[in-house]
Amino acid sequence: GAVVSQHPSRVICKSGTSVKIECRSLDFQATTMFWYRQFPKQSLMLMATSNEGSKATYEQGVEKDKFLINHASLTLSTLTVTSAHPEDSSFYICSARDILGIPSGDPPETQYFGPGTRLLVL
Amino acid sequence: ILNVEQSPQSLHVQEGDSTNFTCSFPSSNFYALHWYRWETAKSPEALFVMTLNGDEKKKGRISATLNTKEGYSYLYIKGSQPEDSATYLCAFNNQGGKLIFGQGTELSVKP
Repeated sequence: GAVVSQHPSRVICKSGTSVKIECRSLDFQATTMFWYRQFPKQSLMLMATSNEGSKATYEQGVEKDKFLINHASLTLSTLTVTSAHPEDSSFYICSARDILGIPSGDPPETQYFGPGTRLLVL
Repeated sequence: ILNVEQSPQSLHVQEGDSTNFTCSFPSSNFYALHWYRWETAKSPEALFVMTLNGDEKKKGRISATLNTKEGYSYLYIKGSQPEDSATYLCAFNNQGGKLIFGQGTELSVKP
C-alpha cells in the first residue's frame, strides 16, 4: 500500500515550452499533495501544498504563475512548468498524504513520495 | 529560517558494521520528525515518524531515537548490509504541517 507514481521520470525540453508532470496516488486517497524541488547537493525544498478541490498554497519565492498546480481529484495532482527556462532545470518530486491515515497503520502525518522527475531545459 | 542539519554527509562502512547518524532540528514549534530511506532511482521510503520526546522506534535492524528538548534524532543501523546503501533523510515537521528536510546522509555498505 501507499504507492505514489510520477510521470514522466525524465524530460528534456526546449526553452520556452511548458512541461506537465503528473503525480498519482495508486492505492489511497490523497487529501493533500506536496511538490518539492531539489537542486544538486541541496535538500528537498517544498514548493507548494495542494488540497483536493482547492487552490494550491505556494511557498515564499515560488512563482504561482510559473508553476501551475492542479489537484482536481483525490488521486491526481499535476505540476506544469510554464515557459520553462534553463534555470528551471531541476529534480521535481511529489508526495501525498491521506490525513485520515491509510490502512497500513502509518501515522497520518506520513508523506508518501513518488520517484521524481528530472527536468532538463535546453 | 528553519534549519535541519544531518551529519555526516556521507559514510562508508563494511558489511556487518553498525553505524549511526544524526539529525539536528529546531527545538521550538516541534510536531514530528520523519526519517526516510532513499535508494537511487526509487521513491523515498518512510521509515519512522516520531512525535514524543524520548521516543524510540525500531524496524528490523534500524532504530531511531528522538530528543525534542535539545533538537536531535539519531538513526542506528545494526549489522549493516549492502542493501542498506541509500541516502537517509530526516525532515522536521513543524506545527504548520510542512516538512523541512536535511541534506541527507549517504550510506555506502561494502560487502
